[in-house]
Amino acid sequence: DQQVKQNSPSLSVQEGRISILNCDYTNSMFDYFLWYKKYPAEGPTFLISISSIKDKNEDGRFTVFLNKSAKHLSLHIVPSQPGDSAVYFCAAGNNNDMRFGAGTRLTVKP
Amino acid sequence: DTGVSQDPRHKITKRGQNVTFRCDPISEHNRLYWYRQTLGQGPEFLTYFQNEAQLEKSRLLSDRFSAERPKGSFSTLEIQRTEQGDSAMYLCASSPLDQELTYEQYFGPGTRLTVT
Repeated sequence: DQQVKQNSPSLSVQEGRISILNCDYTNSMFDYFLWYKKYPAEGPTFLISISSIKDKNEDGRFTVFLNKSAKHLSLHIVPSQPGDSAVYFCAAGNNNDMRFGAGTRLTVKP
Repeated sequence: DTGVSQDPRHKITKRGQNVTFRCDPISEHNRLYWYRQTLGQGPEFLTYFQNEAQLEKSRLLSDRFSAERPKGSFSTLEIQRTEQGDSAMYLCASSPLDQELTYEQYFGPGTRLTVT
């Protein structure tokens, strides 16, 4: 049962432009949401999170938006940099039960 | 390096053999998690420890799988009678007990298992 879905397996953007990664979830009991970034041969690295009581969280170039009514989460990266090229995983959880999406591969072209 | 470490990084085994993986979490992290990741998918939760107590197990964790954290520090994941479907990346993560502000888990580099 895929409770967290990332429907775009890949995304390509130009350096300096905005990258928008999307994520949908089905379980209304999730109370926190995270984005992880993964480079080849490394484990996922935490990027940013948001609790269900908020609708936006910003950290530098990264902003996460949460739309609970639509059960939709998005990550905005602006401006995008070539070093942002990686696989991005959306995750959602309740207590210690965390579910991950399948990931979106972001390529930022110079 | 004070991050999460996993050993070995790669393991090739024949079907039917037993394998054991080790995870060393970040010092003083009370919580430890095991995940499995297959190609094209995100990590799937397997089990969770708080100190030495195994508090949750996924239905993915069949009776061929066993995990321990005997002293509340490192953990081992053993797979008995491996099957080709066990081929995956096995990820370990840890977090401190009070990590609820961001819910972040710190991941290790993973152990890639190939069952031939």
